[in-house]
Formats: sequence, C-alpha cells, structure tokens
Amino acid sequence: EGQLVESGGGLVKPGGSIRVSCAASGLTINNVWMSWVRQAPGKGLEWVGRLISKIDGGTTDYAAPVKGRFTISRDDSRNMMYLQMNNLKTEDTAVYYCTIVTTLGALDSWGQGTLVTVSS
Amino acid sequence: DIQMTQSPSSVSASVGDRVTITCRASQDVTNWFAWYQQKPGKAPKLLIYGVSFLASGVPSRFSGSGSGTDFTLTISSLQPEDFAIYYCQQGKTLPTFGQGTKVDIK
Repeated sequence: EGQLVESGGGLVKPGGSIRVSCAASGLTINNVWMSWVRQAPGKGLEWVGRLISKIDGGTTDYAAPVKGRFTISRDDSRNMMYLQMNNLKTEDTAVYYCTIVTTLGALDSWGQGTLVTVSS
Repeated sequence: DIQMTQSPSSVSASVGDRVTITCRASQDVTNWFAWYQQKPGKAPKLLIYGVSFLASGVPSRFSGSGSGTDFTLTISSLQPEDFAIYYCQQGKTLPTFGQGTKVDIK
C-alpha cells in the first residue's frame, strides 16, 4: 500500500508564494491519479486539484478558487508531486493533504498534511 | 459544481447506538461516491467507496447505501473509536465534499 508524506508548509505573506511537496513510497506516482485536498482551521475538506496519470494524459485540473494561482506538477525521478501556490490569499491558510485517487474517484492513502499559513 | 449536503451537521449518540448520516448530491453521481472519517488532528481516512464497498481494514459495523443523489452511512453499533467527523464526497465530476457530520458522545 502506498504512503504519502507532505512537506514544505510554512508562513507566507499575502501575495507571496510557496511550494509544498508530496513524497510517495510503495507506489509509482506516474501510474496513478493524485489529488491535493485542503482544510482550513476548524473547517471542512476542500478539493484543490488533481494530477492525472501519465498513461491517461498527465493533465491537471483545479478547483475554481485556486485556478490560475496554483500549479500541480510531478517529478518522476524523485517519485514526488508538488503544489506551487502563487499570489496567496489569507483564505488559502489550511492544512494541505496529498492523496491517491482510487476506484470511482475515492481518495485514499492520505498523507499527514502540511500547514500553510498566509498572514502579514 | 455538484453540491453535497449532509445531515445532520452533528449527532450525539451513545456507545452501542445505531447512527445514520445522510448525504444528498445536487446532481446524479451514480456510484462515484465515498465516505471518510476524520479524528481530531488526523488526516481523513477512506471508509467506503463506490457507495457501499468498505475500504481495507474498515469494520463491518460501517455500511453505505444509496444511489444517484441520496446516500446513507450507517454505523450499526457505535464504538468509542467511532466518535469523529464524517464527510461524504462525490467523484463523478471534479470532486466535492459535504460539510461534515460530527458524531459526539451523548
């Protein structure tokens, strides 16, 4: 079973940028669909975006609130996925989780999450 | 976007109780539907996928049912480790989650 570990969170000012990472073990990320999901403090889950497997085209999709500001990418040599977040807003403050997309769109093998705080 | 609406938003129950949580989708999601459990300070955990299939290691007291737009998660006999927040999610289109249902101790 695959394991995912996020890293790279921290404090960033509004308008700033940060890149968070998701390291995969026990699976090859270019063979699976993967997603980012976030959770603002004390709030529910919000899907952020996904990276489709290479064999299925390798494209990305994003939720409306982050489209044009966030970019998901993959480094196959390192078996890692990234979430580049630009022009950050205070409402982007959240724990960011990476997950694997499995049967019928379910999200499995969640990492422990990494906290991104956007504040001046 | 497909909106997912859970009810109730919270439920108080005792160990041994039967608990039912419902989720309604704003459009037909067929069987592209899942439930998650989240405990404080932890990542969500997949409980049920494809409406009614238990994820690996999930106890049989959990069950899911429904189709199309209306879905139900049932815990047949609540255990102490089941006090948590439960979320529904559709994967038919770009994924969306319900707002969550908190199950706490009566």
